[in-house]
Amino acid sequence: DAGITQSPRHKVTETGTPVTLRCHQTENHRYMYWYRQDPGHGLRLIHYSYGVKDTDKGEVSDGYSVSRSKTEDFLLTLESATSSQTSVYFCAINISPGEETQYFGPGTRLLVL
Amino acid sequence: KQEVTQIPAALSVPEGENLVLNCSFTDSAIYNLQWFRQDPGKGLTSLLLIQSSQREQTSGRLNASLDKSSGRSTLYIAASQPGDSATYLCAVPFSGSARQLTFGSGTQLTVLP
Repeated sequence: DAGITQSPRHKVTETGTPVTLRCHQTENHRYMYWYRQDPGHGLRLIHYSYGVKDTDKGEVSDGYSVSRSKTEDFLLTLESATSSQTSVYFCAINISPGEETQYFGPGTRLLVL
Repeated sequence: KQEVTQIPAALSVPEGENLVLNCSFTDSAIYNLQWFRQDPGKGLTSLLLIQSSQREQTSGRLNASLDKSSGRSTLYIAASQPGDSATYLCAVPFSGSARQLTFGSGTQLTVLP
């Protein structure tokens, strides 16, 4: 258990509404990641962070933004949710700077109607 | 662009059998390769990480090998048990990265009692 929590765990929302997902870690781990998992696509990297206020885009960043104002929280925002963003969202961390193994949170299931 | 393929997509074996899961990747200039396990409705659990300089890694009944030149990795599971039933995913970093991962779609393993 790498001490990662995600909230909410489940959410149903309507097209066009903003949605924010939260990833929280209990230690001061530097690297944090957001992925989405869809059938047939596996996991795909959305955004990642290598420190407070330091973020960068991943493979499928369109329609998503992130913020990291403090070490322990990494927020993923869907500015205007679309049905194509229905997915399971996972947060991950590296637990030390020299450690490349990624540890995953339990996931958030998002349904956009 | 790095692409990761896992074949077969699903595998069913009787308990006690030794089995091999396959992972192939297109860009052999990787820093490492990771194998993960995912149980239904859960997050990913890291099983093994192989550095690019290594040929294999072992953890209990699991042995992962890496052949960078051919773009292949295998995960060997000895004496399979029903509790091994899960989806197994491999992941390699994006070209030029050590941490931003590209995942295969996984192999869903069922071990029959």
